[in-house]
Amino acid sequence: EPEVTQTPSHQVTQMGQEVILRCVPISNHLYFYWYRQILGQKVEFLVSFYNNEISEKSEIFDDQFSVERPDGSNFTLKIRSTKLEDSAMYFCASSDSASISYYTFGSGTRLTVV
Amino acid sequence: AQSVSQHNHHVILSEAASLELGCNYSYGGTVNLFWYVQYPGQHLQLLLKYFSGDPLVKGIKGFEAEFIKSKFSFNLRKPSVQWSDTAEYFCAVNAREYGNKLVFGAGTILRVKS
Repeated sequence: EPEVTQTPSHQVTQMGQEVILRCVPISNHLYFYWYRQILGQKVEFLVSFYNNEISEKSEIFDDQFSVERPDGSNFTLKIRSTKLEDSAMYFCASSDSASISYYTFGSGTRLTVV
Repeated sequence: AQSVSQHNHHVILSEAASLELGCNYSYGGTVNLFWYVQYPGQHLQLLLKYFSGDPLVKGIKGFEAEFIKSKFSFNLRKPSVQWSDTAEYFCAVNAREYGNKLVFGAGTILRVKS
């Protein structure tokens, strides 16, 4: 069964550093998403991406965040200057359709900011 | 704004016990409803979904859920749990007019004692 792959599975970074979280969506998927889950809290939508541009973003997705599809296979989330409160599990998802029924999630990257 | 409530954060059951996890949402329009499961160290997996039609939905691994529109509820059930059902369960809602993003509940951690 095709999978969405996320790397690394766990990343520790110092406050103020830039981090890039990587995702390889399923190869024929066109819609890409990032969600995050702060420990003990809800899974929250961050951003959706289609046709090389952001289609929707949440209030959380401020100027510190950016997404990119640099090479046609990877889909990355960059946090420019990490804060302690960015510590969370970040999930990538992809879909082959605008229909929400075809979401596939990755296993997540646990980001710890110290 | 949409919100999703899961009533129990931790549930502990013995094997063969019946399970019901509550989920309520606050949105009056047309919704798509989902239950996801996350086994330790793994990605979010879709258990079942409701888009339209029969409000009693059957999913994988013997799970089912019932959509009760008048109660804004989509409770997850399983008649007899197994130790391997130990996981975290997330209810999620998509309001069709808000595009493809999912709004998640806080999750319920289920531990099944063998």
